[in-house]
Parts: sequence; structure tokens; C-alpha cells
Amino acid sequence: EDQVTQSPEALRLQEGESSSLNCSYTVSGLRGLFWYRQDPGKGPEFLFTLYSAGEEKEKERLKATLTKKESFLHITAPKPEDSATYLCAAQTGANNLFFGTGTRLTVIP
Amino acid sequence: GAVVSQHPSWVICKSGTSVKIECRSLDFQATTMFWYRQFPKQSLMLMATSNEGSKATYEQGVEKDKFLINHASLTLSTLTVTSAHPEDSSFYICSASWRSSYNEQFFGPGTRLTVL
Repeated sequence: EDQVTQSPEALRLQEGESSSLNCSYTVSGLRGLFWYRQDPGKGPEFLFTLYSAGEEKEKERLKATLTKKESFLHITAPKPEDSATYLCAAQTGANNLFFGTGTRLTVIP
Repeated sequence: GAVVSQHPSWVICKSGTSVKIECRSLDFQATTMFWYRQFPKQSLMLMATSNEGSKATYEQGVEKDKFLINHASLTLSTLTVTSAHPEDSSFYICSASWRSSYNEQFFGPGTRLTVL
């Protein structure tokens, strides 16, 4: 069964304290792994797409990596404005899209 | 660029009534629009995919007669929840893409539907 699982469910960090968010996936024929940021009461904002194991992409304090079973979103020296829910989604070979439940990140000044 | 709007941002209705939600791409032509539903603390669930000028494709388990989708132009898609019931209360989010793919889909701000 196609499935995407994110951990942890919630994460509290001190400003400047780097950490990683995990997205484990079990899908048939991964075509793309997406990361989004979602602020409360708003739609997701696109961050990255990863296509193959070993691929990495960076944007400011965020870096996304992909293996054959999971993806990580590394946050380096986070700031309070990085507080949000981070979602990952996997696109299957059959062109279905499965989202994880997200990691709610809180960065404390 | 790539701005997607939704209207209304929130709506409260009585059980049995129908509610229409609009999704507009403001600065680009959207070949494809996607409709999602998000229940509290649950993942975003794709409901249907609509391409301009053709019938929407619904995901398994989504009732097409209950959730009517119209994609009449390259900038507008509507979702009508017919005969709404309290269990339809949710956060409905649309997204738009000019490439008919999940990649580079731009999300609207969502519509909070509460059915009393």
C-alpha cells in the first residue's frame, strides 16, 4: 500500500538549533518527492521537488535530500519565521499523489 | 507570480444546502487544477483533478455527484459541495498548474467549510 509517513509530528527548536525532518515513503515507482511549507489557515507553499536517490536541493536555510526509502529536510540555524508545518508528498508511478501528515515546527527565539 | 486565489475563505452553511467554492489563477493560465481536502491533523487528500474544458477525474472514494467540479476556463475552476452535511466540514484547497502535473502546482489559500 502506498504510504507517506512524516516524523516527528511536532518539533520545537531554539533559534539557531539545527535539525532534520523525516519523510518515509512506500510507493510504487516514485516519480517525484515534494516538500511544502504550510502556515496555519493557508495553502501549502512549494519548496522542493526531488526525483532520484542521492539528489539534494537547497534554499536558504533548508536542504532536502532523498534516498530510496526516505527524504530529509534539514534546517540549518533556524529562525522564528521558519515556524510552520512542513509537508512532504510522493508521486507514484501511477501518477497518484500521497501527502504525509506533516511536521509542525516551532522555532523559539 | 503564480498566484492562486480562492473564494470564499470561509463559509458556514446549513445541512442540506449546496456551497460553491471558486479557485482562480490570477497571473497564469492553468491547464490543470487540483482540489484537495484537509481534515484537522490529517494529511492533504487529493479529491479530483480537472483540466480545462473536460470532465474532472475523481480519486477513489470521492463521490463525483456530491462534489461537482467545473473548469470552465484556464483561470477558473469551481467546486460545488451539494447537499452538504456536517461530515463535509473541512478545509478545501485548490492548486493550479500550467504543466498538467503535480510539479510546480501553486496552492490557493484554502476555504474553511463548516456545515451546521
